[in-house]
Amino acid sequence: GAVVSQHPSWVICKSGTSVKIECRSLDFQATTMFWYRQFPKQSLMLMATSNEGSKATYEQGVEKDKFLINHASLTLSTLTVTSAHPEDSSFYICSARGRENTIYFGEGSWLTVV
Amino acid sequence: AQSVAQPEDQVNVAEGNPLTVKCTYSVSGNPYLFWYVQYPNRGLQFLLKYITGDNLVKGSYGFEAEFNKSQTSFHLKKPSALVSDSALYFCAVRDRASGTYKYIFGTGTRLKVLA
Repeated sequence: GAVVSQHPSWVICKSGTSVKIECRSLDFQATTMFWYRQFPKQSLMLMATSNEGSKATYEQGVEKDKFLINHASLTLSTLTVTSAHPEDSSFYICSARGRENTIYFGEGSWLTVV
Repeated sequence: AQSVAQPEDQVNVAEGNPLTVKCTYSVSGNPYLFWYVQYPNRGLQFLLKYITGDNLVKGSYGFEAEFNKSQTSFHLKKPSALVSDSALYFCAVRDRASGTYKYIFGTGTRLKVLA
């Protein structure tokens, strides 16, 4: 089946630094990828839609300058959390639109900002 | 606005018994509905989807879901629960009004299968 890979699975960074999370579609091309954030024991919150070759579309309330999204190829989208703060600590999940328009999710990335 | 509701935060069921995880939706037009499962510290895994056709949809791991248009429901079911089915289950609807493949998720239902 379609596989979406996220890297890293776990990352710890210091306040004020930036951290990049990668999302790759391994066996299919994805013109559209999505980035979600999940707080403990809560549902997924869509942050932005990443479109290959164009600017990402951000959901209301999500800071574009803080959460930079780049979809440079048909198999890779990156989320960069800039000037991270402890409140940015969360579980980030990406997804990609695959065959038959089914959405496949990555394994998620735990970000801890200390 | 498109929305999905999962009325139960947690469902407990004994191993071997049938299980049902409830989901209701509110959409304009015909819905595209999905079920995903999430194991601890993992991403979401696709279980099944309803786009059109037969109201009873069969998916992975023996799960199935019944689309009921009159009740605007898409409940997830399994005839015989396994302890390994214990996980967090999300119902989702594709936000067709936005013209994108943006999904709207319910708040999730934690299924606990007791041995």
